[in-house]
Amino acid sequence: GEDVEQSLFLSVREGDSSVINCTYTDSSSTYLYWYKQEPGAGLQLLTYIFSNMDMKQDQRLTVLLNKKDKHLSLRIADTQTGDSAIYFCAEILGSSNTGKLIFGQGTTLQVKP
Amino acid sequence: DAGVTQSPTHLIKTRGQQVTLRCSPKSGHDTVSWYQQALGQGPQFIFQYYEEEERQRGNFPDRFSGHQFPNYSSELNVNALLLGDSALYLCASSFDHEQYFGPGTRLTVT
Repeated sequence: GEDVEQSLFLSVREGDSSVINCTYTDSSSTYLYWYKQEPGAGLQLLTYIFSNMDMKQDQRLTVLLNKKDKHLSLRIADTQTGDSAIYFCAEILGSSNTGKLIFGQGTTLQVKP
Repeated sequence: DAGVTQSPTHLIKTRGQQVTLRCSPKSGHDTVSWYQQALGQGPQFIFQYYEEEERQRGNFPDRFSGHQFPNYSSELNVNALLLGDSALYLCASSFDHEQYFGPGTRLTVT
């Protein structure tokens, strides 16, 4: 089936770490993605992880992948007010070059000063 | 290098009308995918174009059609608009597995 699930809302204090969680259904997905959407804007590709990796770090972002549980998480270190946005988890179905993205419903991250 | 661009930014149409949305991909990208994002939801895949052909399609009715031109730009057409077609329409371009999105076209059907 095609289903990606995320919690809807997360609130953190500026300077804390944020962890956004996601579960997906297709064990054959080759890549999993995190996108960021600010109000009234399109989606910005933040980072992705290849399915044979457990972890990927990119500056303040850390992605963890548990293939057995089909669980993906995004950790944002030292969260800033500019990180306030909606974060979407997505898996790619089909071949990685020709596949379609299946998105979760998005997690709204609120960062309080 | 310009990213993915879409036009128009906003559009208001009446039920039953037809609409055409446009997308120019990022330089070097040859594949264009279209997504519909309803308010408060994640984007839903409509279809994907490559080499001027529709390569795959999501669960959208035939009222939704598209086209890709030799310069890789693309159009999304929606006929017989319904109130439920009101959404943000996003175009994404890619060369490999990374899909980069444009700012979207906000369509309101009244």
